[in-house]
Amino acid sequence: DAKTTQPPSMDCAEGRAANLPCNHSTISGNEYVYWYRQIHSQGPQYIIHGLKNNETNEMASLIITEDRKSSTLILPHATLRDTAVYYCISRATYNTDKLIFGTGTRLQVFP
Amino acid sequence: EAGVVQSPRYKIIEKKQPVAFWCNPISGHNTLYWYRQNLGQGPELLIRYENEEAVDDSQLPKDRFSAERLKGVDSTLKIQPAELGDSAVYLCASSLDSSGANVLTFGAGSRLTVL
Repeated sequence: DAKTTQPPSMDCAEGRAANLPCNHSTISGNEYVYWYRQIHSQGPQYIIHGLKNNETNEMASLIITEDRKSSTLILPHATLRDTAVYYCISRATYNTDKLIFGTGTRLQVFP
Repeated sequence: EAGVVQSPRYKIIEKKQPVAFWCNPISGHNTLYWYRQNLGQGPELLIRYENEEAVDDSQLPKDRFSAERLKGVDSTLKIQPAELGDSAVYLCASSLDSSGANVLTFGAGSRLTVL
């Protein structure tokens, strides 16, 4: 599975959009990009995933560049409850057991 | 719908003592995972079950760790004897299966402190 690179930490003002980048320059054509987040003292929570096209659900939007070497998770209106560690993970469809987490981005939303 | 249930939430033991963690996955989820998360790190896979079969235990330290999922539903992870370095959060996750664009649902975890 491709290695992903994320900034260790980011800040965002409440009500503003939080844009979390992820670099996955070695991603292959059959690898999905997944985003999970982990709020303090809880287990990771699934947010969204995509392969080639941009995706949106009730939690967030995922923008994947045309060359698929990077992506951005967008929380359109961040709240204090969005403070968490966000993990960007690439995962091959043929090796679906290996959900390999990095160290993620610690997002701090401030009032 | 109940999520993935784990117990205990917290456990403090002395080194060389045994400890066991229990996981009840989401009903109907055939695939079950145990992950370990050290402080400040992302979770690392220990073992994956497809129904009652352990299909990937390559990262499980087999000298002291064991796991079972006898009826393909609940699972238990055991450490005997525990060492100081085993202090971590042990996370259980489940999914419908392990094919395609699979989504894992995690439990809240069991935090182990070994003194």
